[in-house]
Amino acid sequence: EAQVTQNPRYLITVTGKKLTVTCSQNMNHEYMSWYRQDPGLGLRQIYYSMNVEVTDKGDVPEGYKVSRKEKRNFPLILESPSPNQTSLYFCASGRPQETQYFGPGTRLLVL
Amino acid sequence: QQQVKQSPQSLIVQKGGISIINCAYENTAFDYFPWYQQFPGKGPALLIAIRPDVSEKKEGRFTISFNKSAKQFSLHIMDSQPGDSATYFCAASSGGYQKVTFGTGTKLQVIP
Repeated sequence: EAQVTQNPRYLITVTGKKLTVTCSQNMNHEYMSWYRQDPGLGLRQIYYSMNVEVTDKGDVPEGYKVSRKEKRNFPLILESPSPNQTSLYFCASGRPQETQYFGPGTRLLVL
Repeated sequence: QQQVKQSPQSLIVQKGGISIINCAYENTAFDYFPWYQQFPGKGPALLIAIRPDVSEKKEGRFTISFNKSAKQFSLHIMDSQPGDSATYFCAASSGGYQKVTFGTGTKLQVIP
């Protein structure tokens, strides 16, 4: 089944404790991206990657890191999470000018 | 900086009616305009998309109208059904995906 998977789905952590949210796709897509969704703000792009070892900032990259060492994986790293990073996070993959497929989301609470 | 403005924030439509959601953009470099549908607890899913070389695209009950000179595009849902109740997002991007800007979303409720 073609899909984008994210882990964990739910995460509660404390300020400053490094965490990683994994994202994996099995559709051989070049493009992958991370978004955060907040009430009233819609989806905002954090980082995106056009291919392996090629990443670039979206609109809200502060406090986040990403890496793209393999085509299928695109982990999101929060080196020192803060409460304002409490949000619903989505990973997506696709091919240019075609459908983006979104993962099921990761709900993060930073205390 | 909100480059894609979406309205209304919420919408209640009777079953069988027409739902209309509007978006306006600023960046004339945008060349791909998708609409996504999101149900509670799920990720967004592509509903329909348009490129600026056409003024309208229809897929079943869903139609995108695009006005390049006004920098506006809208989603029309004909014969709205309770199963259409969801949050709808417009989006815009340029040069393939690269940076993608989403609207703030419209929560649609279709009542029987």
